[in-house]
Amino acid sequence: KNEVEQSPQNLTAQEGEFITINCSYSVGISALHWLQQHPGGGIVSLFMLSSGKKKHGRLIATINIQEKHSSLHITASHPRDSAVYICAALSNTGNQFYFGTGTSLTVIP
Amino acid sequence: DAGVIQSPRHEVTEMGQEVTLRCKPISGHNSLFWYRQTMMRGLELLIYFNNNVPIDDSGMPEDRFSAKMPNASFSTLKIQPSEPRDSAVYFCASSLGGAQSYGYTFGSGTRLTVV
Repeated sequence: KNEVEQSPQNLTAQEGEFITINCSYSVGISALHWLQQHPGGGIVSLFMLSSGKKKHGRLIATINIQEKHSSLHITASHPRDSAVYICAALSNTGNQFYFGTGTSLTVIP
Repeated sequence: DAGVIQSPRHEVTEMGQEVTLRCKPISGHNSLFWYRQTMMRGLELLIYFNNNVPIDDSGMPEDRFSAKMPNASFSTLKIQPSEPRDSAVYFCASSLGGAQSYGYTFGSGTRLTVV
């Protein structure tokens, strides 16, 4: 069993829809990253969370430490949001990353 | 700032050859991470450095892989001898203050193909 599970694996949405990507983890963590990887391959760190909620533009990330669960929300989705979104949990020791397998998002105009 | 710079962008080599991947972190960042990404295994952390010192290399797959950071502005990941199963995209990332910091930035990656 993977330490980090993401869902859904693939997601297709119409432009303008509200999108949620989920990440559950089974290990103790000190922080959780949400990464975005575009078709060209480059990776961008969107958020680093250790508690609560963060917002950046149309992106919102939340984490519930007790439930070991994080969500990434995209409001008013746009075709340029099409990418793979990867959840990465950082262990309590701060030395080990556990990666989800990614959610491939396609937003259709 | 030019961001994290990796070279080469693409590398094709024959099995058994030595391969060296290079990374220049963002100036002022004191943590550097090497990752490997494959279709089968996704993203994996290979090794990370803090203030030029390797902190955790438990992700390095085997002795054929070695990484160095001789100074704050340069790191290398070497594979010797290379094998076809090493074919992957290798990413370098840097940050200020370790993996828990903000400003965690990835390079564009090196796509390695071993034939």
